[in-house]
Amino acid sequence: DVKVTQSSRYLVKRTGEKVFLECVQDMDHENMFWYRQDPGLGLRLIYFSYDVKMKEKGDIPEGYSVSREKKERFSLILESASTNQTSMYLCASSFREEAHFGDGTRLSIL
Amino acid sequence: QKEVEQNSGPLSVPEGAIASLNCTYSDRGSQSFFWYRQYSGKSPELIMFIYSNGDKEDGRFTAQLNKASQYVSLLIRDSQPSDSATYLCAVNAGGFKTIFGAGTRLFVKA
Repeated sequence: DVKVTQSSRYLVKRTGEKVFLECVQDMDHENMFWYRQDPGLGLRLIYFSYDVKMKEKGDIPEGYSVSREKKERFSLILESASTNQTSMYLCASSFREEAHFGDGTRLSIL
Repeated sequence: QKEVEQNSGPLSVPEGAIASLNCTYSDRGSQSFFWYRQYSGKSPELIMFIYSNGDKEDGRFTAQLNKASQYVSLLIRDSQPSDSATYLCAVNAGGFKTIFGAGTRLFVKA
């Protein structure tokens, strides 16, 4: 089975902090994604990566950056956290179009 | 802006009934269609995918696709209380980006 592991289930940070969310997959998938999920808005794509050191902006990249130094690891960075970034963050990996998700990180910015 | 629309629900059906979940999409070039199930507090898990017009059956689940009408649906036969979850429709128009709907909440009453 595909395993996508996110480093934290719950995280509380303060406004202005730099926040790192980590994601690791064990299936050698080329594609990795970061989504945020908010009530009534569904899953929205922040960034995705189709290869090491490659990244593409999704639909809502503002305020975020990503890093993919190794194939199995995809990191989401909140450069200066703001309260409107309080959300559930989901990492996913895929070989083709079928995405496999991690358990999510519920991030609260105070 | 490519869109995937779902009725947010909640959709309530009695145990043993057929639950019908519907989804429309805006991009006529869409090629791949997915249904994910998400239990409360959990991450989405893939339950069905369909690429061609018509029906695809897997156990109690049937996915139906009508590309001319830009419509995809999921039927759940013999609904069980354990089917109570949010069902996310997802559409891929090629490439790496999959667009998710906001989801339909389903309640199956015992």
